[in-house]
Amino acid sequence: QVHLVQSGADVKRPGSSVKVSCKASGGNFNSYTYAWVRQAPGQGLEWMGRIIPILGVTNYAQKFQDRFTITADKSTSTAYMELSGLRSDDTAVYYCARDGDGSGNYYNFWGQGTLVTVSS
Amino acid sequence: DIQMTQSPSSLSASVGDRVTITCRASEDISNYVYWYQQKPGKAPELLTYGASRSQSGVSGRFSGSGSGTDFTLTISSLQPEDFATYYCHQSYRVPFTFGPGTKVDLK
Repeated sequence: QVHLVQSGADVKRPGSSVKVSCKASGGNFNSYTYAWVRQAPGQGLEWMGRIIPILGVTNYAQKFQDRFTITADKSTSTAYMELSGLRSDDTAVYYCARDGDGSGNYYNFWGQGTLVTVSS
Repeated sequence: DIQMTQSPSSLSASVGDRVTITCRASEDISNYVYWYQQKPGKAPELLTYGASRSQSGVSGRFSGSGSGTDFTLTISSLQPEDFATYYCHQSYRVPFTFGPGTKVDLK
């Protein structure tokens, strides 16, 4: 049984940074790709980036390229995302997601989501 | 980046209706299209992969088709639990992208 458990909701000031964790259980952590997808209030899904732990490869959407980092700690089976230079329009639910077959192409498993609120 | 568009953006339907949602890619993406269902306050759930393959455990009333730039998701007979928002997603080339979503609600 695969589970992705994310860290809890957070409130941040504009200009600060936020780090969200995603702990995976079930399956070999290294065998899969982990992505981060966000959803602003009332809006659609936005793919932010992914990490392939076994290769140490990350890919990011250009929109976030200079202020977004995804890391993975294989020893704890945890993926992280860190977003810096927060603005009010970064207020969103952030989801981690994992593929099911190692292809990295689609996401069978999702975390519960973490609400990040950016407010002064 | 590959842009994904969906139509309609919303639709109203009745239980038992056949519903078709269209997704178009800005370039040829072969069959690297996936459909997700999302209900309010919940994470998305995978419905189909490889454009036309149904995810294990998903009702057979959901089916996907298409290749190249044009794709469809069909719900053969809408059930009460199907009222939700549906997203297409491409993983042909990074950055992966989602369509803007189609909200299906009760007529």
